[in-house]
Parts: sequence; C-alpha cells; structure tokens
Amino acid sequence: SQQGEEDPQALSIQEGENATMNCSYKTSINNLQWYRQNSGRGLVHLILIRSNEREKHSGRLRVTLDTSKKSSSLLITASRAADTASYFCATDLNQGGSEKLVFGKGTKLTVNP
Amino acid sequence: EADIYQTPRYLVIGTGKKITLECSQTMGHDKMYWYQQDPGMELHLIHYSYGVNSTEKGDLSSESTVSRIRTEHFPLTLESARPSHTSQYLCASSEWAGGVIDTQYFGPGTRLTVL
Repeated sequence: SQQGEEDPQALSIQEGENATMNCSYKTSINNLQWYRQNSGRGLVHLILIRSNEREKHSGRLRVTLDTSKKSSSLLITASRAADTASYFCATDLNQGGSEKLVFGKGTKLTVNP
Repeated sequence: EADIYQTPRYLVIGTGKKITLECSQTMGHDKMYWYQQDPGMELHLIHYSYGVNSTEKGDLSSESTVSRIRTEHFPLTLESARPSHTSQYLCASSEWAGGVIDTQYFGPGTRLTVL
C-alpha cells in the first residue's frame, strides 16, 4: 500500500481559480515534500514542510500539514495555464537505517485558459 | 534549474541490447537515486547511493545495475534490455543530512523504449 496518496487523481479548473490537492500518508514522518512534474519531464521541488510545522507559504503556494490526521494539502492560488502539471507529495521513510522518499501517484492538474 | 543531467533523453533499442543511462550532477551531492516511472504513475526507487563506492537496491526489483566511482556520476546499466524495461528513468540527487531526507533534485529523465 502507498505511504502517500494524493487526492483527487485529476483536477480541471479555470485560470484564476484556486486548486487544492490533498495527500494522506500512513506512518510517522520527519518531513513531507511537494513536487511538480511537467509532462515527460523530471520533478521539480516545490516546498518542504517539517513535522513540527503546520503551514508554509511560497509565492502562490500554501502547504498545510496535520500530523494527527496524517494528511497534507497543497493550495495553488490564482492558478495560471502554466500551472498545468502533475503534483506529487513525497514522505520520508526511515526503514532499517536507510532513508528514502516515497512518492504518491500524483494529482494531474489542468488549468484551462 | 537543477544542475543534474541525463543522457540520452530518448532511446529506442531492440531486445537483448546492453544499454547505459548516464546521470551526472555538479552540485557535489553525496546521495544519488534512480527511479522508474510509467506514464501517469508514481515513482519507484530502483537504486540509490550514499556516496562513492556505495550502491543499494531500492524498493522495486530491477534487473539493472549501477556504479558510483565518482561523486558526480551515477550510471545505470541494463545488460540485456527487454520490452518490460520500457519506461521513464529519472535520476535525482540530494545532500545527505544523515537520517533526514532533504530536497531531491531531478534530471529531465530518459524515456526508454525496448522493441
């Protein structure tokens, strides 16, 4: 089963609207990260939120973390067509002394002009 | 843009060929990773390295092998490619904060098609 799962799987909105994506995870974490992937490209890091933080902002991005519910949300305000991409959450997994990032399946966001 | 490079970007080869996917980073990062990603799906970690002469297998069983002779270089080799190896391969690197996962920087990926 997935450590991190995004919801919804796909989201289509109009330019100027806000987009909210959610991520749920199963085990305790040190931090949670959000990444963006344009079609056929590598991932680009957006924001990292540590387990002792509840909210973080970066430009038009706002990330919240609720460790009691094991969930996070990514809000993109005033969306633009250029925000069209897949968005992944990633949680760290410290297992047997090795540290790994576990990625969800992503939310595919389409922003229509 | 991250200073991490992958070549080739696209590769179409026949079954049974040996291939090497190249990955280089100029950020001096100790940790490097290879992920496999099918279209529209999640990333699966197939190999990672803590530094020179360190290689570890990831979560997804893979018939590929890796080497880490230099800090900046982390090539992935398939001795005999098969159609089941068709996928996108993403290389990434990060600083090693000793037990805490830091930001990972990704290359543009290599899209491999095995006929």
